[in-house]
Amino acid sequence: EAGVAQSPRYKIIEKRQSVAFWCNPISGHATLYWYQQILGQGPKLLIQFQNNGVVDDSQLPKDRFSAERLKGVDSTLKIQPAKLEDSAVYLCASSLGPTNEKLFFGSGTQLSVL
Amino acid sequence: AQSVAQPEDQVNVAEGNPLTVKCTYSVSGNPYLFWYVQYPNRGLQFLLKYITGDNLVKGSYGFEAEFNKSQTSFHLKKPSALVSDSALYFCAVRDQGGNNRLAFGKGNQVVVIP
Repeated sequence: EAGVAQSPRYKIIEKRQSVAFWCNPISGHATLYWYQQILGQGPKLLIQFQNNGVVDDSQLPKDRFSAERLKGVDSTLKIQPAKLEDSAVYLCASSLGPTNEKLFFGSGTQLSVL
Repeated sequence: AQSVAQPEDQVNVAEGNPLTVKCTYSVSGNPYLFWYVQYPNRGLQFLLKYITGDNLVKGSYGFEAEFNKSQTSFHLKKPSALVSDSALYFCAVRDQGGNNRLAFGKGNQVVVIP
């Protein structure tokens, strides 16, 4: 089966610029996750969608981060404006359902903010 | 809130020797426990999980993990390490009685020396 697709693979921007990441989950997976992985740390959940609804966005910095999954399939994560501390790998994952224990991860987008 | 500790930064082991990667967890209720592996430039891949039942769980690539409730540990083990096992290993926990959020540890770099 096709895996979780993410683009771009790498992105370099200057602080205060905007950036967007795209994710296409595995077909049929209702739950989609965005994680932030800072170098030397484990992934941290930013937002979780169930179909096109938000289940958990308690750790999303809403003053600068936004995400949508309008048709319940692919998703976009945006940062506006970016800060230096946003430099990280942004991972998208999907699972069959919200309590399904097996997450499938994409390769991630590595963001460098200069 | 649920959390995971992976005390070692890097684990070095000679090829053919037993491999152990340590993990301790903290949850308010009963835990769901997971191990994921990340190879260079790849997304995280599911290795194994503990939900309930037998304390020794077997997973992919010959890995197994033992759930120890009294020590709140879930150490990952492999009887005979391969060079190809060199990767970053993440332990994760979810609180059965709480939110569905999966909390990851910081990860352990495993280096298998030929």
